[in-house]
Amino acid sequence: DTAVSQTPKYLVTQMGNDKSIKCEQNLGHDTMYWYKQDSKKFLKIMFSYNNKELIINETVPNRFSPKSPDKAHLNLHINSLELGDSAVYFCASSPRLNGGNYGYTFGSGTRLTVV
Amino acid sequence: GQQLNQSPQSMFIQEGEDVSMNCTSSSIFNTWLWYKQDPGEGPVLLIALYKAGELTSNGRLTAQFGITRKDSFLNISASIPSDVGIYFCAGLTSGTYKYIFGTGTRLKVLA
Repeated sequence: DTAVSQTPKYLVTQMGNDKSIKCEQNLGHDTMYWYKQDSKKFLKIMFSYNNKELIINETVPNRFSPKSPDKAHLNLHINSLELGDSAVYFCASSPRLNGGNYGYTFGSGTRLTVV
Repeated sequence: GQQLNQSPQSMFIQEGEDVSMNCTSSSIFNTWLWYKQDPGEGPVLLIALYKAGELTSNGRLTAQFGITRKDSFLNISASIPSDVGIYFCAGLTSGTYKYIFGTGTRLKVLA
């Protein structure tokens, strides 16, 4: 059983398209996150939700819109994709807001390539 | 913004050698985490540290929470080929709800 699962694993799309990445966790955690990892492997937080409520919204273009239908799911929708959006996007979850004793559990990532 | 610098940026070592890496910041942190990322996978938590001076082990891995609370260290003893990957530190400051990740140390082990 995968704890944090993301789909799709790979996504290749053209500039200007709209795409979504889905994330689900079966750990019963309250908090979920989206991180972006660039080509230099820097991990930067984009959003976090706690029990479906938006907690963190970093300086991310408003083309990126997270949606949390319930606390086990956090999806990421991206409008008008640009070349610079190419990266690996990681979903993560934690028992509560600050990670507690367990830090974050990460999914295996979605590699987005915009051509 | 806050930044965590990891050193070294990358390292090649021989199998069986011990490895040391560190993470430093200009800010004080209340919690330090160490993660490992294998190729094509997400980071996996290795060790968590919660107070200054704390020394915690997980198998061949040992991590320390620096006394100044501005740094942390990770040691790997008797490295093996499967230790290859990227090691990230992450720090949490009081009153915030997000971990800041370090720049990563890329480890390659030569058999």
